[in-house]
Amino acid sequence: AQTVTQSQPEMSVQEAETVTLSCTYDTSESDYYLFWYKQPPSRQMILVIRQEAYKQQNATENRFSVNFQKAAKSFSLKISDSQLGDAAMYFCAYRRYSGGSNYKLTFGKGTLLTVNP
Amino acid sequence: NAGVTQTPKFQVLKTGQSMTLQCAQDMNHEYMSWYRQDPGMGLRLIHYSVGAGITDQGEVPNGYNVSRSTTEDFPLRLLSAAPSQTSVYFCASSRGTSGGEQFFGPGTRLTVL
Repeated sequence: AQTVTQSQPEMSVQEAETVTLSCTYDTSESDYYLFWYKQPPSRQMILVIRQEAYKQQNATENRFSVNFQKAAKSFSLKISDSQLGDAAMYFCAYRRYSGGSNYKLTFGKGTLLTVNP
Repeated sequence: NAGVTQTPKFQVLKTGQSMTLQCAQDMNHEYMSWYRQDPGMGLRLIHYSVGAGITDQGEVPNGYNVSRSTTEDFPLRLLSAAPSQTSVYFCASSRGTSGGEQFFGPGTRLTVL
């Protein structure tokens, strides 16, 4: 079974600075998807960024980028120019690429990010 | 386009009561699922469905039932509520492709006394 580990229960960053959230995962498969979701106090789950394992290029979405290290099974999220609105719980998630249960997301336990003004 | 909707937003039950959490989506998504979120545990999959009439168990299915009679609706039933089922419940849906983004509903906060 796949597992996702987020080793940082809480992180804090100063506004306008950069912060990196860590995620490692365990899988025996070669093709899969990795995601970062943001959950602000409103509780809504918001997709931040997605990475396909077969792509070597790291995904980027505006101020959000990932460092995907497939051999190390590491998938960290970098937030540049942090804003107060980035304060939220962040979840790393894994999804199989194919197969009967390929729609299921396996989540890490989350990292609570605080942004200080 | 309402996306994924869930009702109710909040619910308080007594131990032993039953109830149904409603979930609906208007995006014609084949795949729907239910997760529960507990402090320090992330989100864990309860049940999922890959289409009308097809459901399967996830990681934590005990105490919950589901059915999928239409593409749009995927209700979650608690047969006899227990305090251990106090949680926030999320419904999600996605297209029937492996890369399809999962869209989440706003969640239901359930407290069982």
